Amino acid sequence: RKEVEQDPGPFNVPEGATVAFNCTYSNSASQSFFWYRQDCRKEPKLLMSVYSSGNEDGRFTAQLNRASQYISLLIRDSKLSDSATYLCVVNWGSNYQLIWGAGTKLIIKP
Amino acid sequence: ETGVTQSPTHLIKTRGQQVTLRCSSQSGHNTVSWYQQALGQGPQFIFQYYREEENGRGNFPPRFSGLQFPNYSSELNVNALELDDSALYLCASSVTGGSYEQYFGPGTRLTVT
Repeated sequence: RKEVEQDPGPFNVPEGATVAFNCTYSNSASQSFFWYRQDCRKEPKLLMSVYSSGNEDGRFTAQLNRASQYISLLIRDSKLSDSATYLCVVNWGSNYQLIWGAGTKLIIKP
Repeated sequence: ETGVTQSPTHLIKTRGQQVTLRCSSQSGHNTVSWYQQALGQGPQFIFQYYREEENGRGNFPPRFSGLQFPNYSSELNVNALELDDSALYLCASSVTGGSYEQYFGPGTRLTVT
């Protein structure tokens, strides 16, 4: 089993729709979780951290399910500019190293 | 912008050569992590530097080495380049003792021919 697994997509979604991604992780000792966004041939940018109680930032909502070891990202009212690859990131145990999923590609269509 | 800078932006090298990539961390950050990202894949952790020492290493051979300087900037050195080393090399800065959040520079795209 991969350490961090994501559906590679692509997810083709019409503008204005709601889309959700899941990501599973294998290390039950992981404590910190993030979603990063990466545009084509650019560096990853932090989208949001994922907190135990779930958190929301505008149109974006992140959830953590420790029992099932997955995190999710929900994007509401999707915009053309949301087209990107979304990377799920998990810290590995108690150190400061991060393990990255391969990313889910999202394409928003007009 | 994150304030993390990397140089050079692009580089073309020949198999067997050596390369040095540079990274300046964000102000106030004491830790630098290096990643290799091949096309269509997520970043693969190479190693991390904190207090000028290697603080963890991924599954990369010894020909990948690094340094961190007192000002927290860092270098990644790769010896005996192979064709498979062609990738985007990303540097991320963070604060050990703080959150795990990492902030990336724009990367160096290395092509080995």
